[in-house]
Amino acid sequence: KAGVTQTPRYLIKTRGQQVTLSCSPISGHRSVSWYQQTPGQGLQFLFEYFSETQRNKGNFPGRFSGRQFSNSRSEMNVSTLELGDSALYLCASSFPSSYNEQFFGPGTRLTVL
Amino acid sequence: ELKVEQNPLFLSMQEGKNYTIYCNYSTTSDRLYWYRQDPGKSLESLFVLLSNGAVKQEGRLMASLDTKARLSTLHITAAVHDLSATYFCAGVKTSYDKVIFGPGTSLSVIP
Repeated sequence: KAGVTQTPRYLIKTRGQQVTLSCSPISGHRSVSWYQQTPGQGLQFLFEYFSETQRNKGNFPGRFSGRQFSNSRSEMNVSTLELGDSALYLCASSFPSSYNEQFFGPGTRLTVL
Repeated sequence: ELKVEQNPLFLSMQEGKNYTIYCNYSTTSDRLYWYRQDPGKSLESLFVLLSNGAVKQEGRLMASLDTKARLSTLHITAAVHDLSATYFCAGVKTSYDKVIFGPGTSLSVIP
């Protein structure tokens, strides 16, 4: 079974630009969550999508948005990039079960110059 | 809101020794997760603990959960260099809530 895939793996952008990251979950998984990981703030929850609906949202500004498609693939968008947005962005998918175990993708390393 | 703490944050231990990483959480958590992250890599799921008294073991790692004390532990037995990584615990308030991660424990096993 293929794992969670994320594209692109690396991105370099400049301040003020916008970026779109993509995540393809494990086949059959309907929940996709996004996290931002930085050395200073650790792993922070961005949002979760389930069946094309945002189910949970973290404490990030409105510049961060996401969506999920009918095939469960998800995208997240960051507009008006700031230097502080440089981070590893991880997505995780899970299958609805009592465990709700999350499986993480390899991440997208975003650098904002 | 659920808060998850870990200690220690940094741990350097000799091969062959035993040690325990502690994970405390602030409110009722529906379940507790443990993950491992190698440098520059993504997170790998280690354990999912659902109920009070749950204990799970995989190789040299054993995780337990005490919901009354709001405490989970990750015990390392006879550490080997390959266990060097950052270990995260994470909790979720209810089944459909967001997962909150602890700060991570950076483990270094020295020969």
